[in-house]
Amino acid sequence: ETGVTQSPTHLIKTRGQQVTLRCSSQSGHNTVSWYQQALGQGPQFIFQYYREEENGRGNFPPRFSGLQFPNYSSELNVNALELDDSALYLCASSLDRYNEQFFGPGTRLTVL
Amino acid sequence: QQQVKQSPQSLIVQKGGISIINCAYENTAFDYFPWYQQFPGKGPALLIAIRPDVSEKKEGRFTISFNKSAKQFSLHIMDSQPGDSATYFCAASGPMDSSYKLIFGSGTRLLVRP
Repeated sequence: ETGVTQSPTHLIKTRGQQVTLRCSSQSGHNTVSWYQQALGQGPQFIFQYYREEENGRGNFPPRFSGLQFPNYSSELNVNALELDDSALYLCASSLDRYNEQFFGPGTRLTVL
Repeated sequence: QQQVKQSPQSLIVQKGGISIINCAYENTAFDYFPWYQQFPGKGPALLIAIRPDVSEKKEGRFTISFNKSAKQFSLHIMDSQPGDSATYFCAASGPMDSSYKLIFGSGTRLLVRP
């Protein structure tokens, strides 16, 4: 059984650019949640996708958007990048909305 | 009301000792309390989790103690090993909305000295 995978591993962007991060959920899992983890802090919930629909959103601006595909993989898009967007972006998949969440290795985004 | 407060921020323990990390919450709607272990450059890994219908759960050297009336829960690592050196996060979740999102504590950096 393959775990949660994320790509790319690292990414460097400049302020104002746009970025797309990708996540493949664990086999059989229909729910993907995205979190932002700033250096030295706990992960913060961005949003969740359940069966291709957004199912809850944290306190993040609309320039953070997402998508879930029929195979339950997911994308996180961030427009108009700001310096404060520099963080580790984590994707977690779960069997269903209410089940345990298993995290991928994350994508380290640096905004210069 | 949605915060989870974690302490201590850092902890140094000798090999073979007991590591104890504490968390407190306010929202009584929380009904799922997991602990995650994170190594540098890696994603958090689910270690152990508890629901409020039990006061203690043990898996190997890891034990969660849960005090519903005090709204506190703690992680005990028995016989701590250098390989346990990592950052530990408590979290809480519940039916506040349909997402069952995880709300994390601020983390505890554990160092186990040989």
